[in-house]
Amino acid sequence: DQQVKQNSPSLSVQEGRISILNCDYTNSMFDYFLWYKKYPAEGPTFLISISSIKDKNEDGRFTVFLNKSAKHLSLHIVPSQPGDSAVYFCAASAYGAQKLVFGQGTRLTINP
Amino acid sequence: DAGITQSPRHKVTETGTPVTLRCHQTENHRYMYWYRQDPGHGLRLIHYSYGVKDTDKGEVSDGYSVSRSKTEDFLLTLESATSSQTSVYFCATMGDTYYGYTFGSGTRLTVV
Repeated sequence: DQQVKQNSPSLSVQEGRISILNCDYTNSMFDYFLWYKKYPAEGPTFLISISSIKDKNEDGRFTVFLNKSAKHLSLHIVPSQPGDSAVYFCAASAYGAQKLVFGQGTRLTINP
Repeated sequence: DAGITQSPRHKVTETGTPVTLRCHQTENHRYMYWYRQDPGHGLRLIHYSYGVKDTDKGEVSDGYSVSRSKTEDFLLTLESATSSQTSVYFCATMGDTYYGYTFGSGTRLTVV
């Protein structure tokens, strides 16, 4: 029972264009969402997060959008750069749970 | 960022042998977690700890045990390794005031 789903295993984007990574969830108790970025042979690193009281959070080139009615969130990267090539994990947590549930990950490749 | 050290970084072991992976943190974080990363499954929670000697099971705990005798150390033990436990294992920590994880660099375990 996958509570957090990233249905696109991979995504290829031209450098300078927008990258959009998607994530769906099924548990209506989730109230905090995060995106992590992972390079090969390294641990995931925190990228950006959003609370369920918001529908958008921005940090430089990265913006996360949350659509609670659709149980969907997306990560926008504008403009995409070669260093953004990595695996991106979406994660979610319910209030008080103190643990994250992760999606399967999306491998983003930025082409020059 | 939290100082998280996982050891060993790589290990090859034979089916049926016991294996212990170690996670050491220097940030005095209360919560510690063990995840495994597998293609198509993302990051799945094995066990977690919310304090010294306080641990609980995650979604894929069968075949694994954990111990936390000190705040800084969280051990993951495979009592009798199987080929299905070939994976990359990540330790993560979380403090009381930040709602997200910091990850270690991972341990690549191969069971032959």
